[in-house]
Amino acid sequence: DGGITQSPKYLFRKEGQNVTLSCEQNLNHDAMYWYRQDPGQGLRLIYYSQIVNDFQKGDIAEGYSVSREKKESFPLTVTSAQKNPTAFYLCAVAPGTRIPDEQFFGPGTRLTVL
Amino acid sequence: AQKITQTQPGMFVQEKEAVTLDCTYDTSDPSYGLFWYKQPSSGEMIFLIYQGSYDQQNATEGRYSLNFQKARKSANLVISASQLGDSAMYFCATWGDYNTDKLIFGTGTRLQVFP
Repeated sequence: DGGITQSPKYLFRKEGQNVTLSCEQNLNHDAMYWYRQDPGQGLRLIYYSQIVNDFQKGDIAEGYSVSREKKESFPLTVTSAQKNPTAFYLCAVAPGTRIPDEQFFGPGTRLTVL
Repeated sequence: AQKITQTQPGMFVQEKEAVTLDCTYDTSDPSYGLFWYKQPSSGEMIFLIYQGSYDQQNATEGRYSLNFQKARKSANLVISASQLGDSAMYFCATWGDYNTDKLIFGTGTRLQVFP
């Protein structure tokens, strides 16, 4: 089954703990993105990667880190430095090679800090 | 700075009627694209339709069409023959100025379709 998977769907953590959100794709797309969504808000870009072993900060990168060691994987770590990590996190992928380069989204992970 | 404005926090429409969701944008880039996404209660973002700034005709995809008025900088989504399954959040988005690497989203409009 092709597509984008994010795990887990729901995640709880205690304050001060780092946590890693998974994003995997088998669409063979080059570009991958992480967004954060807060209640009643649109999506804000955290990090993105256009190619393996390279990534760029988005608009709200502070307190987050990523890696892109494989084309199909783009994990996001929410560190203890992120002051308000409770949110819905969406991963997206795009071909990266055409216009329009529409992004396709995974099902999301809802992170709650207790 | 790039900006997307969606002024309708919520809209109601009766089943089988048409509805228009507003979106205005602000950009200094002469070449841009506008996207609409649907987000059901499950949370996943579903791509609906795209309009390029140089496209001569308004984009259409099934029951979705985009009313693109360049002079007004508006890109309104029109849903014809609404269905109960259309109830969701709808987001308008565009690329960053001179940067097609990322999308900038509006705050969304919640559409509720009633029988």
